[in-house]
Amino acid sequence: AQSVAQPEDQVNVAEGNPLTVKCTYSVSGNPYLFWYVQYPNRGLQFLLKYITGDNLVKGSYGFEAEFNKSQTSFHLKKPSALVSDSALYFCAVRPISGGYNKLIFGAGTRLAVHP
Amino acid sequence: GAVVSQHPSRVICKSGTSVKIECRSLDFQATTMFWYRQFPKQSLMLMATSNEGSKATYEQGVEKDKFLINHASLTLSTLTVTSAHPEDSSFYICSASVRQGLTGELFFGEGSRLTVL
Repeated sequence: AQSVAQPEDQVNVAEGNPLTVKCTYSVSGNPYLFWYVQYPNRGLQFLLKYITGDNLVKGSYGFEAEFNKSQTSFHLKKPSALVSDSALYFCAVRPISGGYNKLIFGAGTRLAVHP
Repeated sequence: GAVVSQHPSRVICKSGTSVKIECRSLDFQATTMFWYRQFPKQSLMLMATSNEGSKATYEQGVEKDKFLINHASLTLSTLTVTSAHPEDSSFYICSASVRQGLTGELFFGEGSRLTVL
């Protein structure tokens, strides 16, 4: 079965420290990978995506993610966290054979950045 | 990025009534829209895929007679929750697909919180 795993329900980090939000996937073939962020009572905002090419992808608000094919991972990272980064983060995968633009979401990871 | 507008953002209704939620793509044409449901502290569950001019494709376990989806134009899809009950209370989010093929990202609406009393 195709799935996305975000092993941490919550990640706590001090402001100014680097952060990592983990994501692993299980799909057939080479998927397209995405990260979205959700603020309370809001829709999802696109952060970045990996389609092909360089394994390190840079996105919005200083976030980046590294695609690791051997580990089937796509961890989200940021060198220096801000309090305003506190939100719910979703990893998503679009299987190439899964239908037009259909996304499979992970369970989400709540990021809490403390001053 | 592209803008998807969802209305209403919040709605409270009595049990047994029907509620319509609109999803509009404001600056692009969306051939495909998706409707998601999100329970508290949980991920998004895809309910259905809405294609302009054709019937929606529902995910397994989603009642198509209860969650009516209409995609009458390239900029508007509606979700109607018919005969709503308290268990239908949830956060409903739509997303729209730009004509970019599989590599394009989805753009999401702000969500609609439905509370059924």
